[in-house]
Amino acid sequence: GAGVSQSPRYKVAKRGQDVALRCDPISGHVSLFWYQQALGQGPEFLTYFQNEAQLDKSGLPSDRFFAERPEGSVSTLKIQRTQQEDSAVYLCASSLRVRVDEQYFGPGTRLTVT
Amino acid sequence: DAKTTQPNSMESNEEEPVHLPCNHSTISGTDYIHWYRQLPSQGPEYVIHGLTSNVNNRMASLAIAEDRKSSTLILHRATLRDAAVYYCILRDVEYGNKLVFGAGTILRVKS
Repeated sequence: GAGVSQSPRYKVAKRGQDVALRCDPISGHVSLFWYQQALGQGPEFLTYFQNEAQLDKSGLPSDRFFAERPEGSVSTLKIQRTQQEDSAVYLCASSLRVRVDEQYFGPGTRLTVT
Repeated sequence: DAKTTQPNSMESNEEEPVHLPCNHSTISGTDYIHWYRQLPSQGPEYVIHGLTSNVNNRMASLAIAEDRKSSTLILHRATLRDAAVYYCILRDVEYGNKLVFGAGTILRVKS
């Protein structure tokens, strides 16, 4: 079946621009996660949704980062006024239920801020 | 989340078994041990997880020490496609939603 998809796969933004990254989780998956992965490092947690409710946003690095999942399926991660340090791969993952279920990751969106 | 310690890198020959170690001396009774791997230019992929007993699946085996302070991921016959970064992660059974990744172990497989 279809896995987690993300779009765009690559995004180049000029510093100060706003960007929106989309995640389509596996159909029926309750939990959705966003992670940020800098070059050469492991992914770092950004935020977590259970259906449409954002239950944990402790990893969002600043108030320029905003995520939503209004109907409990597709999610969008928005970054306002992008900075060079926002350059990274943004990974989305979904899992069927909560807690210790395995997470299925998308291929990521590589964001480059120039 | 409790921390894990893994070697930075390991090397293996193709078709040979690989044992990837992970230390987690501060593990709590409710922490599951999860392994994910990340192939180049891809998102992480679930490999296996366990709580106390050794586990086997089609991808690998997980051997957990009796005191649970360490574990070993075993790839029975490494292939070139197993070259990846392997992450050992602890997740609390009650509160463990997010994955907390460390630096992982870079596995290189030689033909």
